[in-house]
Amino acid sequence: EIVLTQSPGTLSLSPGERVILSCRASQSISSSYLAWYQQKPGQAPSLLIYGASSRATGIPDRFSGSGSGTDFTLTISRLEPEDFAVYYCQQYGSSPRTFGQGTKVEIK
Amino acid sequence: QAQLEQSGAEVKKPGASVKVSCKASGYTFTDYYLHWVRQAPGQGLEWMGRISPKSGGKDYSQKFQGRITMTRDTSISTAYMELTTLTSDDTVVYYCARAGYGNDPTPFDLWGQGTLVTVSS
Repeated sequence: EIVLTQSPGTLSLSPGERVILSCRASQSISSSYLAWYQQKPGQAPSLLIYGASSRATGIPDRFSGSGSGTDFTLTISRLEPEDFAVYYCQQYGSSPRTFGQGTKVEIK
Repeated sequence: QAQLEQSGAEVKKPGASVKVSCKASGYTFTDYYLHWVRQAPGQGLEWMGRISPKSGGKDYSQKFQGRITMTRDTSISTAYMELTTLTSDDTVVYYCARAGYGNDPTPFDLWGQGTLVTVSS
């Protein structure tokens, strides 16, 4: 099983700031089958990034993903009020599918 | 537009079973896997398994082997997840989510709204 470790656990930031979230895998993720999801309180997760760096349909370009192998990042170039949420990484290349424990981005 | 509509909240006693449904609309049900993911209050996401609506083939997480059953009814575009021998640790929100078929794995691009199951005596 691939274990994903996200850091930091919580980020306290202000609108307009740049955010970099980290996701580290216990073993190499084949073909960059790494996704990022956003979850707001009381809602289901929604897909942001797949293939480590491709934005899902309708996702604004302030969201970007990068990385390969075991180290991946999600960057939000400039935080908007609607971006305060919990972010999860997931590997979907092997079974069992696994998620990181999440990073909460909260308003400072 | 494509949607996954889940059944409503349930309250169960310890030791009982629960069956959650997930009805697909707006897309061809048999063209996508359906996965089940759960989330304890304030906690992260946990993958439970997946079913192929086309073939009925299943892949369960080892953690739930022996007490989980996933089925589907293609005539009504609905998938089901049944979990038996419930304990308080199963008091979580259950989500269904779809992912594409093919040699190239795909992420979960559509999610149901979630079903809260509460296990309490």
